[in-house]
Amino acid sequence: SQQGEEDPQALSIQEGENATMNCSYKTSINNLQWYRQNSGRGLVHLILIRSNEREKHSGRLRVTLDTSKKSSSLLITASRAADTASYFCATATTSGSRLTFGEGTQLTVNP
Amino acid sequence: DTGVSQDPRHKITKRGQNVTFRCDPISEHNRLYWYRQTLGQGPEFLTYFQNEAQLEKSRLLSDRFSAERPKGSFSTLEIQRTEQGDSAMYLCASSSPERASTNEKLFFGSGTQLSVL
Repeated sequence: SQQGEEDPQALSIQEGENATMNCSYKTSINNLQWYRQNSGRGLVHLILIRSNEREKHSGRLRVTLDTSKKSSSLLITASRAADTASYFCATATTSGSRLTFGEGTQLTVNP
Repeated sequence: DTGVSQDPRHKITKRGQNVTFRCDPISEHNRLYWYRQTLGQGPEFLTYFQNEAQLEKSRLLSDRFSAERPKGSFSTLEIQRTEQGDSAMYLCASSSPERASTNEKLFFGSGTQLSVL
């Protein structure tokens, strides 16, 4: 079963706009990660945020984590057509050794 | 290119046949994972290895599935007596966590797309 649930399932925006994707999870976590997947390809790691962190930045990416609400958000600023992909959150539990992925958000950035 | 390679990229087989996939992780990574992904869904965990030891298997991994990592380097995933429900993308990933009890980021291969007719 999936631990995380992404919202929205699909998002379509214009180039230059910001894209925000949300992830909710159910159990206590050690860290939360975001991955990107282009159609028919493997996943690429974007950013990792630990349970004791609240916000993290990497280039045009901003991730927040609210452990009290068991939720995270990924913000992509100044989106580009090349950002078109599926984005997944994944959680690592405090005691487990696997990553559990959500169902993903399909982002389409129109040029 | 993440450095994790999978072979073949695509496999078409008839129901009832056996198939085997190979994964070559990043050479210095001691952890290797197998995930399965169906269209429109996130990857689902199947199993993982720490060096050559298979430490965890999902309930998704029925007795028709077997995975090996004989020398702690490459891994194979075999599916016996394939069924149409096995059609999916099979993803391999590797990592080298700084501490054994935590997860760091995974490096994924491009996957093997299996179609069972």
